Parts: sequence; structure tokens; C-alpha cells
Amino acid sequence: NAGVTQTPKFRVLKTGQSMTLLCAQDMNHEYMYWYRQDPGMGLRLIHYSVGEGTTAKGEVPDGYNVSRLKKQNFLLGLESAAPSQTSVYFCASRILYNSPLHFGNGTRLTVT
Amino acid sequence: GQQLNQSPQSMFIQEGEDVSMNCTSSSIFNTWLWYKQDPGEGPVLLIALYKAGELTSNGRLTAQFGITRKDSFLNISASIPSDVGIYFCAGSSLNYGGSQGNLIFGKGTKLSVKP
Repeated sequence: NAGVTQTPKFRVLKTGQSMTLLCAQDMNHEYMYWYRQDPGMGLRLIHYSVGEGTTAKGEVPDGYNVSRLKKQNFLLGLESAAPSQTSVYFCASRILYNSPLHFGNGTRLTVT
Repeated sequence: GQQLNQSPQSMFIQEGEDVSMNCTSSSIFNTWLWYKQDPGEGPVLLIALYKAGELTSNGRLTAQFGITRKDSFLNISASIPSDVGIYFCAGSSLNYGGSQGNLIFGKGTKLSVKP
């Protein structure tokens, strides 16, 4: 049972390039989330999904898009990367809206 | 926007010492959670609290949901070297997460070992 798996683990992009981060969970969770973690800032919610085919904006959604075509996968896209998007990105999931979050191990993204 | 104030930001521990950290908010929360993050990994849930006044233990860790519903604390007794890491509080309230119960996180307390 892998839990929440994020790929890739590391990535370096040049300004203006695009990429997609993949999150996969094998726990049949309905809710999935993308957070970014910056030094001294804690975790901030980018986008989330309450079920297959649904997405919603979180606290810091600008510059990102998401898709949830399959229940087990939640994709985070950067269409035109900017240095301000250098961060560690965490995916999380949970079975119900008030149950604890399960996190992946993160993707460290550097935009130069 | 909504904020959780977590303190202290960092602290040094000596093996065997007790540790205490807390989170406060200006508004009422329905849920308080405490997570620990080790380097290079995602946060892992330590304790979840769902009722005002609730006191819950997990081994050497004890956390409480404040009676006013605006704060929570985490205590670690008899600390050991593997306790080092970053501890996050998180909470959900109707003001922030609405009906979806989205979590807001504190900025973390970094625990290090005294040199």
C-alpha cells in the first residue's frame, strides 16, 4: 500500500517553461489537495478536489491549474513557470472532509 | 486572511526535557491537528482533536483542544533525539474551510537538539 505518491521528486525549470506534477493515491480517498511549502510560511493550499471531475481554488491558486480526471490522480500544472513558484509542493488526500490528511513526500521545484 | 499563530518558531531541546508548543487563532476552529515533518518527507499526523476541551495522548505526546476553540497545545515529554523536526498545527473552521473543511496550517515549530 503506497499511500500518496508524487512524481517527480525534483525538477528544475527555466522561466516560462511548463510542467505537470502528478499525485496518485491508492486509498480510494475522495478529497485531494495541492499545497506549497516555503521557508517560514508553513503550508499553503493551492487547489483542491472533492471528487473525480471536480476542482476548486485554494489560498494561492494563481499561476497553477489542476485536473482530476480519475479519482486516484490529481495533476498540478504550471503553464509558464516563474521564479516565485520555486517551492516544495505537497499533495495530500483524505477520505472525508473532516478526516486527517495523508501527505506525499513532496516535489522540490526550482525555477531559474 | 485567516491565520494560525504558532509558537515558538524554533527551540532547542536536550534529551529528557519536556517540550511545549501552541497555536492560537482569532476565530473559532472545529478541528485541530498536529503534524510532524522530517527532512525530505511530507508531514505525518500525530494527533487529531475534534471537541473543545479534548485532551489526547499518543505515546509521549499530548495535545489539547482549547476550551475557547481558539487554541491548541502540544506537549512532548522526555524528549529523545528522534523528536527533532518541524511540528505543524492545522485547523479547520467554517470561516476558512467552509463546508469543505479545508485546513489552514501554522508556520511550524522547528525542534533541534542542543549542541
